[in-house]
Amino acid sequence: KQEVTQIPAALSVPEGENLVLNCSFTDSAIYNLQWFRQDPGKGLTSLLLIQSSQREQTSGRLNASLDKSSGRSTLYIAASQPGDSATYLCAVNDYKLSFGAGTTVTVRA
Amino acid sequence: DVKVTQSSRYLVKRTGEKVFLECVQDMDHENMFWYRQDPGLGLRLIYFSYDVKMKEKGDIPEGYSVSREKKERFSLILESASTNQTSMYLCASIQSGGNQETQYFGPGTRLLVL
Repeated sequence: KQEVTQIPAALSVPEGENLVLNCSFTDSAIYNLQWFRQDPGKGLTSLLLIQSSQREQTSGRLNASLDKSSGRSTLYIAASQPGDSATYLCAVNDYKLSFGAGTTVTVRA
Repeated sequence: DVKVTQSSRYLVKRTGEKVFLECVQDMDHENMFWYRQDPGLGLRLIYFSYDVKMKEKGDIPEGYSVSREKKERFSLILESASTNQTSMYLCASIQSGGNQETQYFGPGTRLLVL
């Protein structure tokens, strides 16, 4: 059974600092990996999707890398802003999505 | 834009009640999913459906059932609600389940069972 772990569980940084969020998974036979954002009490919004054949994916200030062989992905958020405060979830697709518990980020103004 | 809606944002029910959670998507997606989200546990898949009248158990189906009579609507049913079913419930849909696609999520229903 796929196990997905996100470390740290929570992170607090001053505005302008770069964020590094980690995700690890146990079974490397995946189709893709997704990063989602969740605001308090809301649903999930997809940020980036990396195919198993890709090493990284970028969207604006967000960059996600994937090392399938070692079972790791990292989400980088450059020059963080207070609006980046949210919970970030990683999900691995190996015919169905398996989610990590998330990293809750607080960006202090 | 894809829109996934859920019938209620907040719901309070009593132990033993039958509870219906409704989910509707407007993009003619084939696949629909129900998850529950609990602190520290992430999202866990309850049931999913890849076609009308078809359903598959997810990781935690016990105590739940589902119904998909129309393509756009996927219902989650708690036959006899219990306090351990207090949770956030999230519905999602995807076109074909192909590996290049993302799931679209509804806003969630926060259910409290007293």
